[in-house]
Amino acid sequence: AQKITQTQPGMFVQEKEAVTLDCTYDTSDPSYGLFWYKQPSSGEMIFLIYQGSYDQQNATEGRYSLNFQKARKSANLVISASQLGDSAMYFCAMGRNQGGKLIFGQGTELSVKP
Amino acid sequence: DAGVIQSPRHEVTEMGQEVTLRCKPISGHNSLFWYRQTMMRGLELLIYFNNNVPIDDSGMPEDRFSAKMPNASFSTLKIQPSEPRDSAVYFCASSLEQGSADTQYFGPGTRLTVL
Repeated sequence: AQKITQTQPGMFVQEKEAVTLDCTYDTSDPSYGLFWYKQPSSGEMIFLIYQGSYDQQNATEGRYSLNFQKARKSANLVISASQLGDSAMYFCAMGRNQGGKLIFGQGTELSVKP
Repeated sequence: DAGVIQSPRHEVTEMGQEVTLRCKPISGHNSLFWYRQTMMRGLELLIYFNNNVPIDDSGMPEDRFSAKMPNASFSTLKIQPSEPRDSAVYFCASSLEQGSADTQYFGPGTRLTVL
């Protein structure tokens, strides 16, 4: 069975600093995808970044990067130069390469301080 | 480009009433997902369609819940009769499934309150 664990219920970061949100996963599938979503207080789920299990390089999207360590089964999200608008819940998720549902972690609430 | 569209955005109903949630996926996407988000259980899949056919409905709580996808551009999730424990945010998501772990794009959600 697949499982996603986010061990940080809440995080604080100073504006303009970088922050790392942790995510570990467990799966017996040889190929899978890892995703991060942002959920601001308005409630929508916003896709941020994707990492395939066979990708050799860590994924990057603007200020977001994914620190993928396959042997450790971790897929941490790094946000550089934090902005006040980054304050939100962040969810890590995993999907199988055959398609289908995403399994979500419990989320990390990030607060950016001015 | 239009994203996933859900209606209504908010629904307040009384226990025992029928509730119908609607979703229009992104044009061209072939997979559609209904998720439910609660504080206690987080985000969990209710049902997943591929090419309008239900593939995985193992997350549908019980017979009170039903979902349909009559065509590629419309899906409904119905709860009859509704109960207070059904109160949650219901998300619809869609993806273009191509044999890999494809990105799912979420609608704004429907916040359901059952009194």
